[in-house]
Amino acid sequence: GEDVEQSLFLSVREGDSSVINCTYTDSSSTYLYWYKQEPGAGLQLLTYIFSNMDMKQDQRLTVLLNKKDKHLSLRIADTQTGDSAIYFCAETSTSGTYKYIFGTGTRLKVLA
Amino acid sequence: EAQVTQNPRYLITVTGKKLTVTCSQNMNHEYMSWYRQDPGLGLRQIYYSMNVEVTDKGDVPEGYKVSRKEKRNFPLILESPSPNQTSLYFCASSITGQGDEQYFGPGTRLTVT
Repeated sequence: GEDVEQSLFLSVREGDSSVINCTYTDSSSTYLYWYKQEPGAGLQLLTYIFSNMDMKQDQRLTVLLNKKDKHLSLRIADTQTGDSAIYFCAETSTSGTYKYIFGTGTRLKVLA
Repeated sequence: EAQVTQNPRYLITVTGKKLTVTCSQNMNHEYMSWYRQDPGLGLRQIYYSMNVEVTDKGDVPEGYKVSRKEKRNFPLILESPSPNQTSLYFCASSITGQGDEQYFGPGTRLTVT
C-alpha cells in the first residue's frame, strides 16, 4: 500500500536554511502536501504540489519534487524560532480514492 | 469565522463505554475526515466522507464508526472503546478532498482506561 516516510528530528540554527525530506510510494499521479503543526494545535497547510511539477516556491518555502526517486523536500530559508514545529508530508492519489496518507512528521527545532 | 469544531476537547473514559466525538464545520465543505495522532506514527486516517451519506475507510477504521447525515457534521463513534484507542483525534474538512487545503479542528485527547 501507499506509504510516506520522514526522518523524525531536525535541528538547525536560527538564520540557516532547513531542509525536511519525505519519500512516498504511490506510483499514480498524486498531490503532495506539507503541513505544519505547532504545539497543542491542529495542522495547517503550508503548501502543496502536483506530481507533474518539479518545484514550487512560496516566499521562504521551496518545495522540490524528484519524481523518479519519489522524493519530496521542503526548504525553509532564513529559519526563525517561530518555525519550530512538527512538519508533516502527506499525499492523496488522483486515481479514484480520496484517502490521505501522512508521514510520521519531522520535529524541527530552531536554536537561537 | 471559518472553523472546524470538535467536542469534547478532552475525555477520559473506561473500556467498553460507548462514546461519540462530534465534529462540525461551517464552510460548506464536501470532504470531511477523521485522523488519530500517535507518537512516532504520525497521523493516520480513520474514515473520510466525500459528501452526505458517502463515507469510506481510511487506514485504521477498526473499532470506529462514522456517519454523515448532514453536510456540516461528521461524528466519530467508538462503540466499545479499548485502551489502544487512547490517542489524539483530529477532524478535518476541505472543499473537495484533493488538491485543496484541509482545515483541522483543535483535537480531542481521548484516554481509555
